[in-house]
Amino acid sequence: DGGITQSPKYLFRKEGQNVTLSCEQNLNHDAMYWYRQDPGQGLRLIYYSQIVNDFQKGDIAEGYSVSREKKESFPLTVTSAQKNPTAFYLCASRGDRGPITANYGYTFGSGTRLTVV
Amino acid sequence: EDKVVQSPLSLVVHEGDTVTLNCSYEVTNFRSLLWYKQEKKAPTFLFMLTSSGIEKKSGRLSSILDKKELSSILNITATQTGDSAIYLCAVSPMYSGGGADGLTFGKGTHLIIQP
Repeated sequence: DGGITQSPKYLFRKEGQNVTLSCEQNLNHDAMYWYRQDPGQGLRLIYYSQIVNDFQKGDIAEGYSVSREKKESFPLTVTSAQKNPTAFYLCASRGDRGPITANYGYTFGSGTRLTVV
Repeated sequence: EDKVVQSPLSLVVHEGDTVTLNCSYEVTNFRSLLWYKQEKKAPTFLFMLTSSGIEKKSGRLSSILDKKELSSILNITATQTGDSAIYLCAVSPMYSGGGADGLTFGKGTHLIIQP
């Protein structure tokens, strides 16, 4: 089955540590996204990538970094510069940029819950 | 900056009631509005709306877009406890090479259905 796999499901980070969240898709989608969700909040866009070796900052990119070396993979690193990293992180991908289809082909992963200890 | 506002932020009703959730938006280069249901994990897609005045229906759920008023509503009739969730509204921009991308979400409506 095609889909997006995020790992790990739960992650604990110590103060001052960098951690990397994995996102892998086998949908052959060009565009991939990282969102952050805090309690009582909607999803906020951190970074996105429309093509391999290219990515753009979203609304809340400070303290995060990404790479897109392969089409299938879009890992997110939460750096020590991110002062409040405890949140639920969702990865998504989109494959259709042409004709309108249901949902525009957006697919979400099951998320990683990051907690600072 | 694109903006999506949902109301109410939380709602508690009894099973069998009908609820209406609201979403208003300000977005440049609007392409579509999407509704999602989220139960603790990834959002589940409900509807995508692009044309004003055309109702989308799926069972007890329905939604309609008003482009003149820059808003949308999501209706749930004969609510059940399984409808308890966060309902998210998002808008999608027109995509152009190198332009803005990604969905802009509202904060969501936390719906609780009591037995």
